[in-house]
Amino acid sequence: SQQGEEDPQALSIQEGENATMNCSYKTSINNLQWYRQNSGRGLVHLILIRSNEREKHSGRLRVTLDTSKKSSSLLITASRAADTASYFCAVESNDYKLSFGAGTTVTVRA
Amino acid sequence: NAGVTQTPKFRVLKTGQSMTLLCAQDMNHEYMYWYRQDPGMGLRLIHYSVGEGTTAKGEVPDGYNVSRLKKQNFLLGLESAAPSQTSVYFCASSFSGSTLYNEQFFGPGTRLTVL
Repeated sequence: SQQGEEDPQALSIQEGENATMNCSYKTSINNLQWYRQNSGRGLVHLILIRSNEREKHSGRLRVTLDTSKKSSSLLITASRAADTASYFCAVESNDYKLSFGAGTTVTVRA
Repeated sequence: NAGVTQTPKFRVLKTGQSMTLLCAQDMNHEYMYWYRQDPGMGLRLIHYSVGEGTTAKGEVPDGYNVSRLKKQNFLLGLESAAPSQTSVYFCASSFSGSTLYNEQFFGPGTRLTVL
């Protein structure tokens, strides 16, 4: 069953604005990961945050994790047209398998 | 390095036909996975393998079989295709199942249509 659930389902922003999407999950996790998928392509790993971490940065990406609320957020700062894609969170629970959400579709308008 | 490659990229089958999807990785990864992606549902795990010669069922294994005869290859078979198996199939691999290193690398996908 899908553990990660993203919100919102779709997001449209102007180039240069920030984009924020959230992920909620149901059980305890080992780590939570974010992936990006461009149209017609495979998924690309963006960032992994472990259950004992609260925040992580990678370039223009900022991920937070709140295990008490069982939620995570992905912030993309100063968005570009190339950030147009679908973003998925994936949670790893007590095994090494990932459970993916349905994704957030982000459109960056020029 | 080519990373993860999948063959074929597209395929159209008739109900009842069989086919095999091939996944290959050149990163010496131990773990390999097959997912299917359907609109609005994200990725669902079909089967996975934790090493050469091993396979295990994922979330939606019915109607599929897999084999991992060589470490670098992971095959997904459909013995008797059904329209419900129309989907985009992704293969992925990871270095290990360790929490510390569970980043998965994905192939470009195979778009399968069953008529």
